[in-house]
Amino acid sequence: DAGVTQSPTHLIKTRGQHVTLRCSPISGHKSVSWYQQVLGQGPQFIFQYYEKEERGRGNFPDRFSARQFPNYSSELNVNALLLGDSALYLCASSPRAWEGNTIYFGEGSWLTVV
Amino acid sequence: KNQVEQSPQSLIILEGKNCTLQCNYTVSPFSNLRWYKQDTGRGPVSLTIMTFSENTKSNGRYTATLDADTKQSSLHITASQLSDSASYICVVPGGSQGNLIFGKGTKLSVKP
Repeated sequence: DAGVTQSPTHLIKTRGQHVTLRCSPISGHKSVSWYQQVLGQGPQFIFQYYEKEERGRGNFPDRFSARQFPNYSSELNVNALLLGDSALYLCASSPRAWEGNTIYFGEGSWLTVV
Repeated sequence: KNQVEQSPQSLIILEGKNCTLQCNYTVSPFSNLRWYKQDTGRGPVSLTIMTFSENTKSNGRYTATLDADTKQSSLHITASQLSDSASYICVVPGGSQGNLIFGKGTKLSVKP
């Protein structure tokens, strides 16, 4: 079975642009979470979706938004990009709510804002 | 404030040697603690999940310990291999659902 897949793997955007990152969870997993990992730091929680509803939100500005589709895939959208948004964006999936379950991460999408 | 702190920040060891990485957390309430291995530029991979009732858990050459009273965990790597070179991240679920709190990781370099 395929693991968590993310696309694109790498992309470069200019300040002020918008970006959409995509994630497909492991088949059968209904929970998807997004994390931002700046170089040299641990991942920071952005959103969690479960059964297509937002279940948690981290301390990120409203420029960040996400949604989960009926097939449980998810998109992360970032508007008005800033240089500081340059990071590895990780998607993670788990079978149900993540509590106590192993969470599987994708390989991430590297975003560079210039 | 819910926090996860790891030490050392980085570590260099020779192939075949053992090492121990430390994690201290102040997250409350506590449900479980996870150790992940992250190769450079890759997504984290789960090594162990420990609940508050578990003191030790092994996964091959990796052994994690947990002391819920002192809020400390350690990850012991036995007979290190070059492929163990990576960042090891300690993770504890935070208060709000879906919020995993990550430490900054320990960057381990195993040299031949």
